Amino acid sequence: EAQVTQNPRYLITVTGKKLTVTCSQNMNHEYMSWYRQDPGLGLRQIYYSMNVEVTDKGDVPEGYKVSRKEKRNFPLILESPSPNQTSLYFCASSLLGRHTDTQYFGPGTRLTVL
Amino acid sequence: QKEVEQNSGPLSVPEGAIASLNCTYSDRGSQSFFWYRQYSGKSPELIMSIYSNGDKEDGRFTAQLNKASQYVSLLIRDSQPSDSATYLCAVNSGPGGSYIPTFGRGTSLIVHP
Repeated sequence: EAQVTQNPRYLITVTGKKLTVTCSQNMNHEYMSWYRQDPGLGLRQIYYSMNVEVTDKGDVPEGYKVSRKEKRNFPLILESPSPNQTSLYFCASSLLGRHTDTQYFGPGTRLTVL
Repeated sequence: QKEVEQNSGPLSVPEGAIASLNCTYSDRGSQSFFWYRQYSGKSPELIMSIYSNGDKEDGRFTAQLNKASQYVSLLIRDSQPSDSATYLCAVNSGPGGSYIPTFGRGTSLIVHP
């Protein structure tokens, strides 16, 4: 089944404790991206990647890191999480990152930083 | 700063009625426009995309685009309770046809029996 998977789905952590949220897709997509969704603010893009080893900042990259060493994986790293990073996070992928490509979203990761 | 504005709602319509969802955007260079549906606690799902002025129909859904007015809308005919969800408008302004979207905050739609 074609899908985007994220792990963990739920995470409660404390300020300053490094964490990684994994994202994997099995559709051989070149484009992957991360979003956060907050009440009243909507979906905002954090980082995106057009291909392996190619990443770029979205609208809200501060406090986040990403890497794209393999086509299928695009982990989101929070080196020192803070409470304002409490949010619902979505990973997404599309074939080539063209605006005409359908974007597929993962199921989401609900992160709470205490 | 690229902005996409939607009325947060909720928009409440009776079953069988037409639901009309609206979206305005600030970037005149925007190239493509999307409507996503998001059920509570779930991920967004693409319903419609539209790239040129006019109407685009797909089943019960019609997207309408007016670039001069910087306005895009979604009509849902014969609304069903299963259409109750938040509808996200996304506008793409990525260079060279790439996908770098700006999302609106979403409109909550409630279809009551």
